[in-house]
Amino acid sequence: NAGVTQTPKFQVLKTGQSMTLQCAQDMNHEYMSWYRQDPGMGLRLIHYSVGAGITDQGEVPNGYNVSRSTTEDFPLRLLSAAPSQTSVYFCASRSGGDYTGELFFGEGSRLTVL
Amino acid sequence: GQSLEQPSEVTAVEGAIVQINCTYQTSGFYGLSWYQQHDGGAPTFLSYNGLDGLEETGRFSSFLSRSDSYGYLLLQELQMKDSASYFCAVRDSNTDKLIFGTGTRLQVFP
Repeated sequence: NAGVTQTPKFQVLKTGQSMTLQCAQDMNHEYMSWYRQDPGMGLRLIHYSVGAGITDQGEVPNGYNVSRSTTEDFPLRLLSAAPSQTSVYFCASRSGGDYTGELFFGEGSRLTVL
Repeated sequence: GQSLEQPSEVTAVEGAIVQINCTYQTSGFYGLSWYQQHDGGAPTFLSYNGLDGLEETGRFSSFLSRSDSYGYLLLQELQMKDSASYFCAVRDSNTDKLIFGTGTRLQVFP
């Protein structure tokens, strides 16, 4: 099983550019989410989805859009990149039926905005 | 909302026991989880406490006290490979979001 797959692994953008981070999971998980990780800040929730067609905001949603047209895919769009969005981005998924709420993470996408 | 506090760094020697604490403020949650993350890697799930008390998984144990808004991760017989960051997390019972603490960096020395 591939699990959670994120692309690209590395990306450099200029301020004002837009891009989409891709996330796909093959575990038929209902719940998917995006986190960003900055030094000393832990993992902060950007957006999440509890199923296809349903998305909601996390702790730091500004500057990001998401959509969930299928169970498998949950892309994260940066509308107009800013240096403050330089970070490592993790996509994660879990089963809605797992009482532990165990999240399965992708390998991360390292984004630098110049 | 939720907030979770952890010490920023803990050091220990091989073979020792270390405890990483997590105190939280939350309006309601299902349980407390712990994740491990090695440098350059992705977080991986370690344990979950849905009820008060101790859960043991091999060398790792996790504890929760809802009345004290407190939990901890206990690592025994430390090995060099345990050097990593450890995060506590709560799953909000209203929104089902998983919110992470700030993380504790554990360094194990020979």
